[in-house]
Amino acid sequence: DAKTTQPNSMESNEEEPVHLPCNHSTISGTDYIHWYRQLPSQGPEYVIHGLTSNVNNRMASLAIAEDRKSSTLILHRATLRDAAVYYCILRGFSNAGKSTFGDGTTLTVKP
Amino acid sequence: NAGVTQTPKFRVLKTGQSMTLLCAQDMNHEYMYWYRQDPGMGLRLIHYSVGEGTTAKGEVPDGYNVSRLKKQNFLLGLESAAPSQTSVYFCASSKGPALIYGYTFGSGTRLTVV
Repeated sequence: DAKTTQPNSMESNEEEPVHLPCNHSTISGTDYIHWYRQLPSQGPEYVIHGLTSNVNNRMASLAIAEDRKSSTLILHRATLRDAAVYYCILRGFSNAGKSTFGDGTTLTVKP
Repeated sequence: NAGVTQTPKFRVLKTGQSMTLLCAQDMNHEYMYWYRQDPGMGLRLIHYSVGEGTTAKGEVPDGYNVSRLKKQNFLLGLESAAPSQTSVYFCASSKGPALIYGYTFGSGTRLTVV
């Protein structure tokens, strides 16, 4: 099964952009790339997802490499409320019964 | 909108006791899931359901049973609790296949087995 690799932790300054990387070199052609975040003591929250093209929504942007072997979640202006664990996961028809939630990246935002 | 509601929020069990965790969603979602999250770790899928009356095993199903008698409810049962089942349990739902629609998670149930 395709897996994702993320840095364990990252730091950012408040009101600066944040680029959270994710590697998924064994991604299959039908795997969607999803991002979730988990604030302390809360359940995960959907952020964004995409297949091939870059995606934007009110929370973030998702930049997907042309070969789809990596992606980057972009928070345009980090706030203290963005401090969370960010998970990059792959969802496809082959892994409907499996979790694929790894350890994620812990983002610290400094005021 | 309530979204996904989990009850109870906290529970302490003695080894060997049984209990049922309830997950309810009011979004008319077809798919529902149970995950567990151990300290400092990511989420692991226990069981899931793709519709009323259906259930399937995830990655870590041993020691758990589930039922989906009504579309809006997904129950997770522990027949004989063990300390290894101490964890935070999250329920999630999705409109259809999660690969397309994404998950909506509940706020979790923190279970301690002593």
